Amino acid sequence: QSVLTQPPSVSAAPGQKVTISCSGSSSNIGNNYVSWYQQLPGTAPKLLIYDNNKRPSGIPDRFSGSKSGTSATLGITGLQTGDEADYYCGTWDSSLSFYVFGTGTKVTVL
Amino acid sequence: EVQLVESGGGLVQPGGSLRLSCVASGFTFSIYAIHWVRQAPGKGLEYVSVISSDGKITYYANSVKGRFTISRDNSKNTLYLQLGSLRPEDMAVYYCAREGSGDGYNLDFWGQGTLVTVSS
Repeated sequence: QSVLTQPPSVSAAPGQKVTISCSGSSSNIGNNYVSWYQQLPGTAPKLLIYDNNKRPSGIPDRFSGSKSGTSATLGITGLQTGDEADYYCGTWDSSLSFYVFGTGTKVTVL
Repeated sequence: EVQLVESGGGLVQPGGSLRLSCVASGFTFSIYAIHWVRQAPGKGLEYVSVISSDGKITYYANSVKGRFTISRDNSKNTLYLQLGSLRPEDMAVYYCAREGSGDGYNLDFWGQGTLVTVSS
């Protein structure tokens, strides 16, 4: 099972903001950088945020990331129907010596 | 354009073997670590394995250790995952993903995935 915990689902109306939490421990989030991935239905995951709060080229600034202690948060503002997807956090776990993913959160636009 | 294209998936019986391939293009394959990640039907992402750019360092998830082997041929821009002693719980879409640059680990480009079905 995953060592990073996310809420199963979040929802909001178009134009609103949602936040997704990712809770871990000192062996993963607490001492390593966090990434976030977006997986649209039927497609491969896509990197959304890396190094806690950096956006790859082409990712709009509606998406933001932050980290505090052993938790990380993804924020999405100006929610659009095209943002409906599963979102996963990910980071290296120094104790397990491999990469770990969060349990995943489904975003629904009402 | 960075591309990763997986192949080799299919139907295999429990206890059987399969070799997955991931062909890379659009970047200098030999300087990047590459990862395998899988996703069971309707489930979340599960990390499987990683191999360093020169192929000398590998890591495996406990769930596949001793049964799967990751390797690469930098002359062919190709990554492999040899799957052995397959179990029903290994059934999943298998993705290869490039390890991106940055201060921490991240997977910046992913292939489209290849489906492995384990069933008798």
